Amino acid sequence: EAGVAQSPRYKIIEKRQSVAFWCNPISGHATLYWYQQILGQGPKLLIQFQNNGVVDDSQLPKDRFSAERLKGVDSTLKIQPAKLEDSAVYLCASVPKGSGSEKLFFGSGTQLSVL
Amino acid sequence: SQQGEEDPQALSIQEGENATMNCSYKTSINNLQWYRQNSGRGLVHLILIRSNEREKHSGRLRVTLDTSKKSSSLLITASRAADTASYFCATDARYNQGGKLIFGQGTELSVKP
Repeated sequence: EAGVAQSPRYKIIEKRQSVAFWCNPISGHATLYWYQQILGQGPKLLIQFQNNGVVDDSQLPKDRFSAERLKGVDSTLKIQPAKLEDSAVYLCASVPKGSGSEKLFFGSGTQLSVL
Repeated sequence: SQQGEEDPQALSIQEGENATMNCSYKTSINNLQWYRQNSGRGLVHLILIRSNEREKHSGRLRVTLDTSKKSSSLLITASRAADTASYFCATDARYNQGGKLIFGQGTELSVKP
């Protein structure tokens, strides 16, 4: 079974630039999460999708972050414009339909450095 | 906001010793999960314990849950160098209808050969 795919693996940008991350969840997984993990901290939930609908985006900084999951499969997370404090690893995770939040499958993440 | 607080923040042991990590949380939960993260990688699910369970085992892992104290512990027995990683507890809060996990800050475990 293929895992959660994320790209790019690494990204370096300057502040005020834009950046986008891509996630392809495990086939058939209805729920998709984006987490932000700052160095030395635990993952912090940014947004949760159920199919192509947003379930929770209460912690997404909507003035600069946006996310979409067209057709309920792939998802993209965008930051525009980036700030220094956005430097972090952005993790995508998915779970099978009907599993609630039991046993998330994570991708390897995109490490973002904002200079 | 972070739901779980983990203790210790860092732990260094010799191969063969046992490693114990603790997690405390704030609100009532449906379940508590433990994940491992190797350096530069995503998180991997280790074990889940439900709110009506007190102890669970999986291989060299033993998890306990005390809902009255809102705390959990993860014991890794006979540790190996390959167990070197960060370990996170994550809670599925009872008030949460949508199903999301809130992660703690993690314990960084170093197992020396």
